[in-house]
Amino acid sequence: GESVGLHLPTLSVQEGDNSIINCAYSNSASDYFIWYKQESGKGPQFIIDIRSNMDKRQGQRVTVLLNKTVKHLSLQIAATQPGDSAVYFCAEADTDKLIFGTGTRLQVFP
Amino acid sequence: NAGVTQTPKFQVLKTGQSMTLQCAQDMNHEYMSWYRQDPGMGLRLIHYSVGAGITDQGEVPNGYNVSRSTTEDFPLRLLSAAPSQTSVYFCASSYSSSRVNTEAFFGQGTRLTVV
Repeated sequence: GESVGLHLPTLSVQEGDNSIINCAYSNSASDYFIWYKQESGKGPQFIIDIRSNMDKRQGQRVTVLLNKTVKHLSLQIAATQPGDSAVYFCAEADTDKLIFGTGTRLQVFP
Repeated sequence: NAGVTQTPKFQVLKTGQSMTLQCAQDMNHEYMSWYRQDPGMGLRLIHYSVGAGITDQGEVPNGYNVSRSTTEDFPLRLLSAAPSQTSVYFCASSYSSSRVNTEAFFGQGTRLTVV
């Protein structure tokens, strides 16, 4: 069946360091992947997406890497800031369903 | 531009009661969906719609009904509330007409408690 999972439930990083959040997916047919950020009490907010015909995509301070061979997705956040503290979800899309992973909590300490 | 609007924000129900969670979007998006989020878990898809008049089941549809009579609205009905339905509910919409391969916009959520 379809499943999206994350390796680390909580990630603690020092302000200014780079953060890497990982995600594994199981559906080979998924062709679109998204990272969402969710702050406490709010709905998920889009960060960056990537399609299956790409292996890397960069945004402002964020980079998503896709390795289809091992079905792995990662989100890299450069120079992590206190405002980056949140829960991060990866999601995979196959035709008409967007399936979310469990989420990783990113904690940024000074 | 309000985006995705969910009402109410908070709701307490007694077991067996029914209610409707409202979701409206003003972006003319074709695709809309409902998720529930439980503590320590990700978002699980309840129902979705690829356009007006079309709905389909997600991962956890039991106990919920939906309808899509207009492009803008996608209400979620709890037929007979159970404590297991205590959760935070999120509505989302995206532009794509038949594939969820574009960015989904989420509402702020409805926190539902069933006692």
